[in-house]
Amino acid sequence: DGGITQSPKYLFRKEGQNVTLSCEQNLNHDAMYWYRQDPGQGLRLIYYSQIVNDFQKGDIAEGYSVSREKKESFPLTVTSAQKNPTAFYLCASREAATLYNEQFFGPGTRLTVL
Amino acid sequence: RKEVEQDPGPFNVPEGATVAFNCTYSNSASQSFFWYRQDCRKEPKLLMSVYSSGNEDGRFTAQLNRASQYISLLIRDSKLSDSATYLCVVNGPPGGYNKLIFGAGTRLAVHP
Repeated sequence: DGGITQSPKYLFRKEGQNVTLSCEQNLNHDAMYWYRQDPGQGLRLIYYSQIVNDFQKGDIAEGYSVSREKKESFPLTVTSAQKNPTAFYLCASREAATLYNEQFFGPGTRLTVL
Repeated sequence: RKEVEQDPGPFNVPEGATVAFNCTYSNSASQSFFWYRQDCRKEPKLLMSVYSSGNEDGRFTAQLNRASQYISLLIRDSKLSDSATYLCVVNGPPGGYNKLIFGAGTRLAVHP
């Protein structure tokens, strides 16, 4: 079964801690994305990567970091610098970042800061 | 003005009803459009792409109006299982990284 997996499904963090959210895809997609979704709001882009060993900041990158050492993996670290990290985090991939390709999403990770 | 705007709803309709959602986008250079469906506390899933000539998939019909910069989704013969939030998605202008811009969604509640 091809798809995108994210772990953990739920994550609780104390203030001041860094946490890393996992995202793995076996779709052989080049492009990968991280979004954040808050209640009543649209998805906001945190970081994206169009190819291995390359990534770019999205609209709300402050307080987050990523790496793309392997094509299938794009982990997101939420650092203590992120002021309001409680949210639903969605990882997505796309065959290539071309005009007509849709994105496919993983099941998401709900992060709660205690 | 938001790049992609949707009426948040909720649209409360009885089973069997026909319901339509509109979505407006701000960038006239946008060239690809999608509707995604998101169930409560789940990830968005592609419902359908929207083509210039309009397209239909079973009970769902999508239309694009470039002149007025809006896309629409029509659902006929609504089912209880259609209850979800429908996200309008627009590809940003060509070039750059072809960013997808997501609307905040329109909530649909179908009742017996």
